[in-house]
Amino acid sequence: EADIYQTPRYLVIGTGKKITLECSQTMGHDKMYWYQQDPGMELHLIHYSYGVNSTEKGDLSSESTVSRIRTEHFPLTLESARPSHTSQYLCASSESGGGGGRRGYTFGSGTRLTVV
Amino acid sequence: AQSVAQPEDQVNVAEGNPLTVKCTYSVSGNPYLFWYVQYPNRGLQFLLKYITGDNLVKGSYGFEAEFNKSQTSFHLKKPSALVSDSALYFCAVRAPDSGNTPLVFGKGTRLSVIA
Repeated sequence: EADIYQTPRYLVIGTGKKITLECSQTMGHDKMYWYQQDPGMELHLIHYSYGVNSTEKGDLSSESTVSRIRTEHFPLTLESARPSHTSQYLCASSESGGGGGRRGYTFGSGTRLTVV
Repeated sequence: AQSVAQPEDQVNVAEGNPLTVKCTYSVSGNPYLFWYVQYPNRGLQFLLKYITGDNLVKGSYGFEAEFNKSQTSFHLKKPSALVSDSALYFCAVRAPDSGNTPLVFGKGTRLSVIA
């Protein structure tokens, strides 16, 4: 049963387009995260948020932005998509506290983005 | 600084045999340690975590992990592997006094269970 939802599941878009990847969670978690992952490869942290109106950059953030206006919603925007952005994007959330709550991070199913 | 290493990119094991996926960490103080599993075209799923207490942690799908402070390791184990265990496994670590710092994930280990 999914408690964190990502849309769209798959997206093919042309170079130069602006896109927003949606992520919503119903668990009331304060913390949310965006990761980029090439298939079968390691995770790269793009952005994260501790709560409403707080966002921080990760290791791979320079070409994207995020907002956190509501606790449950953490969209990721690419202002101008490029073929190098082709990847899977994973959203996650966690409770406050170092242990991240009962399950640590809860991940969405991901958005697989292809930029042509 | 905190870091985690998964020394094996790939682990192959025959069905029914025990499996071990290795993880070592570097962190100041007592760590929070996690294992996640990722099946194809899916997000990561939580398997188990260690915060404090018993060094042997039991998790989902029959997996367990042993915290070894002297060796700074947190290896994932299962007594009898199933073909359905074939997936990508990630270890993650966090220092308890690191404020809001996100988890640090290893690079992942691909487990292949052969029938």
